[in-house]
Amino acid sequence: EAQVTQNPRYLITVTGKKLTVTCSQNMNHEYMSWYRQDPGLGLRQIYYSMNVEVTDKGDVPEGYKVSRKEKRNFPLILESPSPNQTSLYFCASSLSGLASYEQYFGPGTRLTVT
Amino acid sequence: KNEVEQSPQNLTAQEGEFITINCSYSVGISALHWLQQHPGGGIVSLFMLSSGKKKHGRLIATINIQEKHSSLHITASHPRDSAVYICAARFTEGTSYGKLTFGQGTILTVHP
Repeated sequence: EAQVTQNPRYLITVTGKKLTVTCSQNMNHEYMSWYRQDPGLGLRQIYYSMNVEVTDKGDVPEGYKVSRKEKRNFPLILESPSPNQTSLYFCASSLSGLASYEQYFGPGTRLTVT
Repeated sequence: KNEVEQSPQNLTAQEGEFITINCSYSVGISALHWLQQHPGGGIVSLFMLSSGKKKHGRLIATINIQEKHSSLHITASHPRDSAVYICAARFTEGTSYGKLTFGQGTILTVHP
């Protein structure tokens, strides 16, 4: 089944404790992206990757890191989480970043930072 | 500045009604996406448009490039259509190529 998976789905952590949210897709997609969703602010793009080893900042990259060493995986790293990073996070992928294609979204990761 | 605005923010309808959700954007785009998010959070892509009109079942999406405006229509609405509908634009001007900018979303509630 074609899908985007994220782990964990739910995470409660404390300020400053490094964490990684994994994202994996099995569709051989070139483009992958991370978004956060907050009440009243909607969806905002954090980072995206046009292909392996190619990443770029979205609208809200501060406090996040990403890497794209393999085509299928695009982990989101919070080196020192803070309470303002409490949010619902979505990973998505699409066939190509060079043109617009349908985006496939993961199920979301609800992160709480205390 | 690249902006996407949706209206209305909230929409309540009775089952069977025809529904329209609007999305306006500020500058030229290469594509516009319509997404659906049901309670519980999962996001599904409904349409990706660069011109004209697309139809899938009871859903129709149109885009007018000159007016910088897109609409999502739902015919014969049903309670299972209750969800948040989000438009997102891929701008061609003043931004990196892979970025998406989202509208705030329209919360649709369809009553039986």
